Amino acid sequence: GQQLNQSPQSMFIQEGEDVSMNCTSSSIFNTWLWYKQDPGEGPVLLIALYKAGELTSNGRLTAQFGITRKDSFLNISASIPSDVGIYFCAPLDSGGYQKVTFGTGTKLQVIP
Amino acid sequence: DTGVSQDPRHKITKRGQNVTFRCDPISEHNRLYWYRQTLGQGPEFLTYFQNEAQLEKSRLLSDRFSAERPKGSFSTLEIQRTEQGDSAMYLCASSTNAQGPLHFGNGTRLTVT
Repeated sequence: GQQLNQSPQSMFIQEGEDVSMNCTSSSIFNTWLWYKQDPGEGPVLLIALYKAGELTSNGRLTAQFGITRKDSFLNISASIPSDVGIYFCAPLDSGGYQKVTFGTGTKLQVIP
Repeated sequence: DTGVSQDPRHKITKRGQNVTFRCDPISEHNRLYWYRQTLGQGPEFLTYFQNEAQLEKSRLLSDRFSAERPKGSFSTLEIQRTEQGDSAMYLCASSTNAQGPLHFGNGTRLTVT
């Protein structure tokens, strides 16, 4: 089966710092999604990437779909306390959204 | 707010009891998904519906689990003869179609004692 590695597992950063996290897979995917989950809530979609090499921004968030289609990274610039949460990569293949496989998550803590 | 709604938010039950959870998807969404999330892990796919038809079930969904979506709107997930290993967050999500992003509810946290 496919292996999905998300790193780092957790991060403690100072408010205002930039953050980078990534996801690598043994398989090729057609779409990479990034979700954020706040404590006690369901995941919320942050960014969707549909093409290899694509670089997409959403406010302070920037994500890239690796050209090998086996990896993706998410950057958060100028972190703020509300960035705290767990970030999941969630690639999918041509099978549609029922085939979404979530990574193990990166837990982000922001120190004010 | 017309997001995905799940009920109850929390359920504590004794081992061996049956439990049922409900999910109300976003009204125009015809796809509905159930996921399970244990501590420190990402959500794992259980099953999904296209309207009232259950199209796929994960091997994680043992015989004790059953999901329905009788009128293609809300869905229920029942777990019979609960075991301690069933303790998890059960997440429901919906989407407009196979290419639409998933919108998650806030989940039902099940604790089996």
